[in-house]
Amino acid sequence: GAVVSQHPSWVICKSGTSVKIECRSLDFQATTMFWYRQFPKQSLMLMATSNEGSKATYEQGVEKDKFLINHASLTLSTLTVTSAHPEDSSFYICSASTTSGRATGELFFGEGSRLTVL
Amino acid sequence: EDKVVQSPLSLVVHEGDTVTLNCSYEVTNFRSLLWYKQEKKAPTFLFMLTSSGIEKKSGRLSSILDKKELSSILNITATQTGDSAIYLCAVDAYNTDKLIFGTGTRLQVFP
Repeated sequence: GAVVSQHPSWVICKSGTSVKIECRSLDFQATTMFWYRQFPKQSLMLMATSNEGSKATYEQGVEKDKFLINHASLTLSTLTVTSAHPEDSSFYICSASTTSGRATGELFFGEGSRLTVL
Repeated sequence: EDKVVQSPLSLVVHEGDTVTLNCSYEVTNFRSLLWYKQEKKAPTFLFMLTSSGIEKKSGRLSSILDKKELSSILNITATQTGDSAIYLCAVDAYNTDKLIFGTGTRLQVFP
């Protein structure tokens, strides 16, 4: 099946620093990738839809200047948490679908990145 | 506003019990409903349902969609400790690429 790789799997940083998380589709091209945030024991909250070569579409309430998304190629999307604060600590997951995946509804998820801001 | 709601939010059972998880939705231009299982990291795909009344089955798990009631259930029979996870329901619509996730049900199965 299609593989989505996310890196880093965990990161600890100081308050005020910026952190970049990468999401790569390893064996397929993903024109669209999605970024989610998940708080402990809660569901996935969609943050933004990342489209290759264009600006990301952010969900209501998500600060686009805080969470910078870049989708520079068909296999890579990045999420940068700028000037991170402790309240940004969370589990961030990306996902992507193949063309056939859209037909079956299957979405492939990265392994997630746990961010802890001290 | 489109929304997907799951119930219960949390469930604690003993091994061998049968559980039923519920998902209801209000989504414009509904295309399909999907179930995922999430353990420690990324969700894994379980089922996709598009037609009402047709049961999908995989081992001890089964699921069915009721488009009239705008809902779906996920059944797990003879539960095992390895079934402990968050079960996510998501709905796909025709006019968008994104999935709308439900609140999730946290299932804990104790020996």
